[in-house]
Amino acid sequence: AQSVTQLDSHVSVSEGTPVLLRCNYSSSYSPSLFWYVQHPNKGLQLLLKYTSAATLVKGINGFEAEFKKSETSFHLTKPSAHMSDAAEYFCVVSEYNTDKLIFGTGTRLQVFP
Amino acid sequence: EAGVAQSPRYKIIEKRQSVAFWCNPISGHATLYWYQQILGQGPKLLIQFQNNGVVDDSQLPKDRFSAERLKGVDSTLKIQPAKLEDSAVYLCASSLESSGRETQYFGPGTRLLVL
Repeated sequence: AQSVTQLDSHVSVSEGTPVLLRCNYSSSYSPSLFWYVQHPNKGLQLLLKYTSAATLVKGINGFEAEFKKSETSFHLTKPSAHMSDAAEYFCVVSEYNTDKLIFGTGTRLQVFP
Repeated sequence: EAGVAQSPRYKIIEKRQSVAFWCNPISGHATLYWYQQILGQGPKLLIQFQNNGVVDDSQLPKDRFSAERLKGVDSTLKIQPAKLEDSAVYLCASSLESSGRETQYFGPGTRLLVL
């Protein structure tokens, strides 16, 4: 069965510094992987998705993630954090050949001025 | 393009009462999902519809939860009777089709508190 593990429950960075949110996945098949962001009292928004095309995936708001099969990782990065990036981030894998999304437990990103 | 709409946004009830949530997906989206998000956890799929048929309801507690999408457009999720552990955010999402790689678009959610 597919699963994802988000290695940090909280990450704190200063505005203008790089962001790294870590995610490892477990899958018997070539997975589809996603990163979603959830701002307080708002719906989940898709940042980016990997579906077996290019391993470096660029998303919205300057975020990107790299699929590394050898490390079973799909870490989310951004070169320079902005105050508006403060939110909860979820790494997600979809079950093989279905639409069922399996969410990680989330990483709360805090950005300090 | 209008997003996924949900109502109400907040609901407070006492245990053993019943409650219903409504979702209107993005126009033209054939697939609709209901998720439960307990505080501190990621969302968990409760039920998936393809048009007005159920694709997956394996994690829906059927003794108290029910959902329908009668005309293949909007949907309601009902809890009867509610328990304390049902306190959560209930998220509705929709996607254009069911292909395994489609983007799911989420609504703002309904926050339920059971006292």
